[in-house]
Amino acid sequence: GENVEQHPSTLSVQEGDSAVIKCTYSDSASNYFPWYKQELGKRPQLIIDIRSNVGEKKDQRIAVTLNKTAKHFSLHITETQPEDSAVYFCAASRDKIIFGKGTRLHILP
Amino acid sequence: EAGVAQSPRYKIIEKRQSVAFWCNPISGHATLYWYQQILGQGPKLLIQFQNNGVVDDSQLPKDRFSAERLKGVDSTLKIQPAKLEDSAVYLCASSLQVTYEQYFGPGTRLTVT
Repeated sequence: GENVEQHPSTLSVQEGDSAVIKCTYSDSASNYFPWYKQELGKRPQLIIDIRSNVGEKKDQRIAVTLNKTAKHFSLHITETQPEDSAVYFCAASRDKIIFGKGTRLHILP
Repeated sequence: EAGVAQSPRYKIIEKRQSVAFWCNPISGHATLYWYQQILGQGPKLLIQFQNNGVVDDSQLPKDRFSAERLKGVDSTLKIQPAKLEDSAVYLCASSLQVTYEQYFGPGTRLTVT
C-alpha cells in the first residue's frame, strides 16, 4: 500500500544552525505535501505545504523542496531557535492522506 | 473562525467497556478525519469522511471501532469493547477539501485500564 518514509527519527542541531528533514512517498499520484509541527502536549499545526506543480516554497526561515521524479520532499529550517524544538510530520495526499512517523527535533543551546 | 471542537477531553474506562467521542468540524469543511495518536508516534488515520461518505477506513479496526458523520457535519467515533492498547489520544481534524490544510481539534485522551 501507499507509504511515507521520514528520516531522521531524531535530530539535534545547535541553535542557529540549519535542520533538514527528508521524506519519500510511494504513490506517484500524490499531489499535496504538508508539514505539521506538534509541540509537546499540543495538537499538530501546519507550518508549510507544497503542491505537485511547484518545486520549492519558502516562508521566512522555513522552506520545502519537492522532487517528483524521485518522489522525495524535504523540510529546511534555517537559523534554528529554541521554539523550533518539536516533532515534525510530513504527509503526502491525493484522495487520502498518509503521514510519516515524525522527526523529533531538539535545538541545543 | 471557530476551531474544531472535540469532547470529552479526557476519558478513563475499563477494558471491555464502550466509549464515544464527538467532533464538530469547522463550518464548511467537507473533509473530516479521525486519528489515533499513541504516545511518541505519529497520527494514524482511522477514518476519513468526504461530506457524509467514507473515503478511507482501511486502518479502522472494524470489529470494535465505528464512526459516522451524520448530515456531513458532526461526527462520532465509538469503541466497543475497548482494549488496553486503545489507550491513546484521538484527534479529529477537518479541511475544506482533502488536499487542503487540516485543522486539528484538541484531542481526547483515552486511558483504558
